[in-house]
Amino acid sequence: EAGVTQFPSHSVIEKGQTVTLRCDPISGHDNLYWYRRVMGKEIKFLLHFVKESKQDESGMPNNRFLAERTGGTYSTLKVQPAELEDSGVYFCASRRDGSGEQFFGPGTRLTVL
Amino acid sequence: KQEVTQIPAALSVPEGENLVLNCSFTDSAIYNLQWFRQDPGKGLTSLLLIQSSQREQTSGRLNASLDKSSGRSTLYIAASQPGDSATYLCAVRRVNNFNKFYFGSGTKLNVKP
Repeated sequence: EAGVTQFPSHSVIEKGQTVTLRCDPISGHDNLYWYRRVMGKEIKFLLHFVKESKQDESGMPNNRFLAERTGGTYSTLKVQPAELEDSGVYFCASRRDGSGEQFFGPGTRLTVL
Repeated sequence: KQEVTQIPAALSVPEGENLVLNCSFTDSAIYNLQWFRQDPGKGLTSLLLIQSSQREQTSGRLNASLDKSSGRSTLYIAASQPGDSATYLCAVRRVNNFNKFYFGSGTKLNVKP
């Protein structure tokens, strides 16, 4: 069974540009989560999808961040426009209904110059 | 609000030593506690998961304990090896929202050959 995959693994952009991160959860996992770790801080929750619906987006930092999960399969996280403080590692995780365990992807390292 | 603290932030030991990593959390109403390992450039690998009703879990050379009332968990690594070098993360989920992880900032372990 393939694990959670994320693309790209690393993205370097300039301030003001737009970046879109993608997460492919484990097949059959209805629950999908985004987290991020900014430099020197702990990993923090961003949002939770159940299929295509946003269940909890309390961790989204501001309206420059837009997460989508059309069709309830893969998810994208768009940052527009990117700011310097958005630099960090963005993790995705997925969970099967009825199971308590979240499986994490390798993360996307975002560098905003 | 749930805050998770890990001590020490970094640890360097010679191969073969037994060691203890510490994690504390402020809100004892947890659903479970999980220890993860993160290797550079890789995702999070789950090591041990302790449900709130449990006191400890063991897997090979790893043993994790949980004292919910005092808000503490320890991860014990026996006979450390250079391959154990990684960042170890502690994370809890709360009873009222088990979908959201609260992470500590991690302990970076270096085991010297």
